[in-house]
Amino acid sequence: DSGVTQTPKHLITATGQRVTLRCSPRSGDLSVYWYQQSLDQGLQFLIQYYNGEERAKGNILERFSAQQFPDLHSELNLSSLELGDSALYFCASSVGDRAGANVLTFGAGSRLTVL
Amino acid sequence: DQQVKQNSPSLSVQEGRISILNCDYTNSMFDYFLWYKKYPAEGPTFLISISSIKDKNEDGRFTVFLNKSAKHLSLHIVPSQPGDSAVYFCAAYSNYQLIWGAGTKLIIKP
Repeated sequence: DSGVTQTPKHLITATGQRVTLRCSPRSGDLSVYWYQQSLDQGLQFLIQYYNGEERAKGNILERFSAQQFPDLHSELNLSSLELGDSALYFCASSVGDRAGANVLTFGAGSRLTVL
Repeated sequence: DQQVKQNSPSLSVQEGRISILNCDYTNSMFDYFLWYKKYPAEGPTFLISISSIKDKNEDGRFTVFLNKSAKHLSLHIVPSQPGDSAVYFCAAYSNYQLIWGAGTKLIIKP
């Protein structure tokens, strides 16, 4: 158990639908990162929050949004889902706000399948 | 435009021998380079990192080498053990962006 909790572990939904993925960071970590991993690809950085504020944005689609709440947990909202959104979504957390200088602790991921 | 490339999708190494995983990058502004290891059904776990101002960093059986002129880094695992069988990701960091390679699957043969 890494200390980062992601729910749900698996999710199957239809095109056009909306889903919410949830992440609880490791205790003491202030940063939360969201990554998307499609089949046999590297991790694509989506977005980072630090202590409730957006810190950095990657290749996140306009149909996707995220937020970090006062208790530091984070949610990633995916709407108007398309087949290509099927992927493994990872959440990671770190103490500081720089992913290069801080060790990221990852959750086990949420596997989204869009049919 | 892949800024971080791992050109070998897989690598098979005999137990006890050296494993060498390679990574190439294009952006000379990266500040840090990191290696993460991933087992099936788990998230990646941090392995080792190196600052752009250094050319070598060691941690037990793991050593990372950075060749800035060639924009190349490598991870050496000596000796390789069965538990090292996993997917290894190279990542590079600059300006709040951590860019990942596609990963190399390392298989350690008994």
